[in-house]
Amino acid sequence: QQQVKQSPQSLIVQKGGISIINCAYENTAFDYFPWYQQFPGKGPALLIAIRPDVSEKKEGRFTISFNKSAKQFSLHIMDSQPGDSATYFCAASRGSSNTGKLIFGQGTTLQVKP
Amino acid sequence: SQTIHQWPATLVQPVGSPLSLECTVEGTSNPNLYWYRQAAGRGLQLLFYSVGIGQISSEVPQNLSASRPQDRQFILSSKKLLLSDSGFYLCAWRDEREPAFFGQGTRLTVV
Repeated sequence: QQQVKQSPQSLIVQKGGISIINCAYENTAFDYFPWYQQFPGKGPALLIAIRPDVSEKKEGRFTISFNKSAKQFSLHIMDSQPGDSATYFCAASRGSSNTGKLIFGQGTTLQVKP
Repeated sequence: SQTIHQWPATLVQPVGSPLSLECTVEGTSNPNLYWYRQAAGRGLQLLFYSVGIGQISSEVPQNLSASRPQDRQFILSSKKLLLSDSGFYLCAWRDEREPAFFGQGTRLTVV
């Protein structure tokens, strides 16, 4: 119930292509779904986040698609660039909990080839 | 603006030695604080979280402990390190429904 499953584990995309990373959850009480980007040796940084009252959120080249009935959400990176090469984590949390704990997926290592 | 400081950045410690990692947050009051561990090439495992001074919750049984002596200070400790304690340790803070922000991490190698 507390898990967030992320796929694929690794992804190779050509420059200019679309990178797609998927996540699925089971706990219907989750109501906040962020994506984090992590470069080697650095802490994760918030990329984009969505709440279940919308089905899509776009910020620049990054889009989250959210399917509440399927309990799935995905990150789309349009026009992928070599600088996007990093590890991406999806996460989920329950807003009703005062702990604010984020449950993370296992991560996807993205490599964008020039 | 809020900032989070975590130190040291890297640490090499012998097996059986003690550990103390410190994390401090600036620019916010009464944040939720978290310690995560990331094994090489793996995801983020929540170790401890704290919703207030002196309030510590452990997520997994382990050789580590945490303390929150001040509102914006979070410390990760061990009395005797094990080889399996090696990893990348990340401190994070979160304020109510806002995103969680991470420090830059401590790379711990137990030898």
